[in-house]
Amino acid sequence: AQSVAQPEDQVNVAEGNPLTVKCTYSVSGNPYLFWYVQYPNRGLQFLLKYITGDNLVKGSYGFEAEFNKSQTSFHLKKPSALVSDSALYFCAVRTFSGSARQLTFGSGTQLTVLP
Amino acid sequence: DGGITQSPKYLFRKEGQNVTLSCEQNLNHDAMYWYRQDPGQGLRLIYYSQIVNDFQKGDIAEGYSVSREKKESFPLTVTSAQKNPTAFYLCASSPSETVDSYEQYFGPGTRLTVT
Repeated sequence: AQSVAQPEDQVNVAEGNPLTVKCTYSVSGNPYLFWYVQYPNRGLQFLLKYITGDNLVKGSYGFEAEFNKSQTSFHLKKPSALVSDSALYFCAVRTFSGSARQLTFGSGTQLTVLP
Repeated sequence: DGGITQSPKYLFRKEGQNVTLSCEQNLNHDAMYWYRQDPGQGLRLIYYSQIVNDFQKGDIAEGYSVSREKKESFPLTVTSAQKNPTAFYLCASSPSETVDSYEQYFGPGTRLTVT
């Protein structure tokens, strides 16, 4: 079965420090991986994706993610955190049900950036 | 939140009543999805539809029903058979399989409270 895991429910980081939100995956074949962000009582916003190509993917709001095939990881990173980055972050992987295009989401990581 | 609208934002119902959540998109996307979000559990897929007049059960379809009579609309009915309906419901859409784009676009969500 194809799945993603986010091992940390909560990540706290001081403003201005680098942040990392972890994601590991389990898929058969080539993984299609995604990061989304959710602010309170809002829908999910797409941040970035890895389909193929460079292992370092750049996305919205200064975020980037590093695809590591040997460690089956796709960690989300940002060099300098902002208080406004505080939100719930979801990792997702494309899964297959027949020909349907579906995403399977991790359980989410709450990021808190402290001023 | 892109071109996907969900209404209402907040919905209150008495136990035993059916309720229908609206989802409309103007992105010309073929596929549409309904997710349920509970604290600490991430997103779980309820139903999805790849094309008009066709839909498939997701992981937690029991107690829910959908229809897809128009490309832009994918309403979700929460029936009285759903044992724990209080949750945050998210609708999403994605382009057709012929487009090299795999991410889903989310609406702002509907928070349903059943008492």
